[in-house]
Amino acid sequence: EAGVAQSPRYKIIEKRQSVAFWCNPISGHATLYWYQQILGQGPKLLIQFQNNGVVDDSQLPKDRFSAERLKGVDSTLKIQPAKLEDSAVYLCASSYTSGAFYEQYFGPGTRLTVT
Amino acid sequence: DAKTTQPNSMESNEEEPVHLPCNHSTISGTDYIHWYRQLPSQGPEYVIHGLTSNVNNRMASLAIAEDRKSSTLILHRATLRDAAVYYCILPPPGAGNMLTFGGGTRLMVKP
Repeated sequence: EAGVAQSPRYKIIEKRQSVAFWCNPISGHATLYWYQQILGQGPKLLIQFQNNGVVDDSQLPKDRFSAERLKGVDSTLKIQPAKLEDSAVYLCASSYTSGAFYEQYFGPGTRLTVT
Repeated sequence: DAKTTQPNSMESNEEEPVHLPCNHSTISGTDYIHWYRQLPSQGPEYVIHGLTSNVNNRMASLAIAEDRKSSTLILHRATLRDAAVYYCILPPPGAGNMLTFGGGTRLMVKP
């Protein structure tokens, strides 16, 4: 079974530039998550989708971050404009659904460096 | 939200058992206890979860205290590949499998 795919794996941009990350979840998984992991910290949930609807985006900095999951499959996370403090690994995860019994499967992440 | 407390780091010798503790004194009756781990330069991976009874799977065992205020993840024979950060997580009530990661325990395995 193919895992969660993410691209690109690495990205370096200058502050105030824009960047987008792509995620392809495991086939058949209804729930998709985006996390931000700053070096030395645990991942922080940014947004959770159930199919193509947003379940929770309370920690998404909406003035600069946006995410969508068109057709309830792939998802993109965008940052516009980027700040230095956005340097982090952005992780995508998916699960069959959002019930307590269901584990999340994580992708390898995209490492973003903002200079 | 129920808060978890874990040691920052632990050390183990290869092929010996490892007991990773987690305190969650404010746990409610319906909170599941989830464990994930994160190997270096990888995304987190699921290890195990449980509610009241002790749980076993191919990766580890989860021992849950009778009052549920603490739990222990048990790796029966540590290998070098088990060196990782281990996270004990209690999703918020009614939040299904939503994960709030703390700092976790960094496990170092010595050959």
